[in-house]
Amino acid sequence: ETGVTQTPRHLVMGMTNKKSLKCEQHLGHNAMYWYKQSAKKPLELMFVYNFKEQTENNSVPSRFSPECPNSSHLFLHLHTLQPEDSALYLCASSPAGRVIDTGELFFGEGSRLTVL
Amino acid sequence: QQQVKQSPQSLIVQKGGISIINCAYENTAFDYFPWYQQFPGKGPALLIAIRPDVSEKKEGRFTISFNKSAKQFSLHIMDSQPGDSATYFCAARRGSTLGRLYFGRGTQLTVWP
Repeated sequence: ETGVTQTPRHLVMGMTNKKSLKCEQHLGHNAMYWYKQSAKKPLELMFVYNFKEQTENNSVPSRFSPECPNSSHLFLHLHTLQPEDSALYLCASSPAGRVIDTGELFFGEGSRLTVL
Repeated sequence: QQQVKQSPQSLIVQKGGISIINCAYENTAFDYFPWYQQFPGKGPALLIAIRPDVSEKKEGRFTISFNKSAKQFSLHIMDSQPGDSATYFCAARRGSTLGRLYFGRGTQLTVWP
């Protein structure tokens, strides 16, 4: 497999559920990101990890909990979400910090989340 | 405060026509300006990018024009094709801030055959 893979592609959950989104990158990058994409709004950066260490938390509510066990995997744990959290959650990776850093982000296809 | 303002929100162009999408920014510390293309059901993918030391960059039918003094940049799609129908996002990044891209709201482009 190549590129950035996200699972599940679609998720429906109630406000009291606990679920997780998974992201895996096969590009040998060292930085991984979570973005939130809502209709008619700019993509919102949520979290940044570089070499497994969180380098940015963009004031994200604690009901979203990221986990980065290694440079290839990134999770977003979800609990007690609100209907307004329904969105497309995009994972991305980049070679940030390396000589070959072109600034490009490589996105996965996203996980479409619906909170009932 | 929106860091990058993009217009129009939607654009309809006839096949063979020129599509133009505009973006403006305020932060003069931005030094990298990419455009991303997103098809339905897919994640955004880098289309073309420019740094402020040049005023224009062309890749095939896609051209970025950059006006540093006006703090504006635009995407021109020449000879637009139905396969170009997608949502386009401009973005800006400041220095080495790890992936800290500020995106515009996006422009939904429809090219009629």
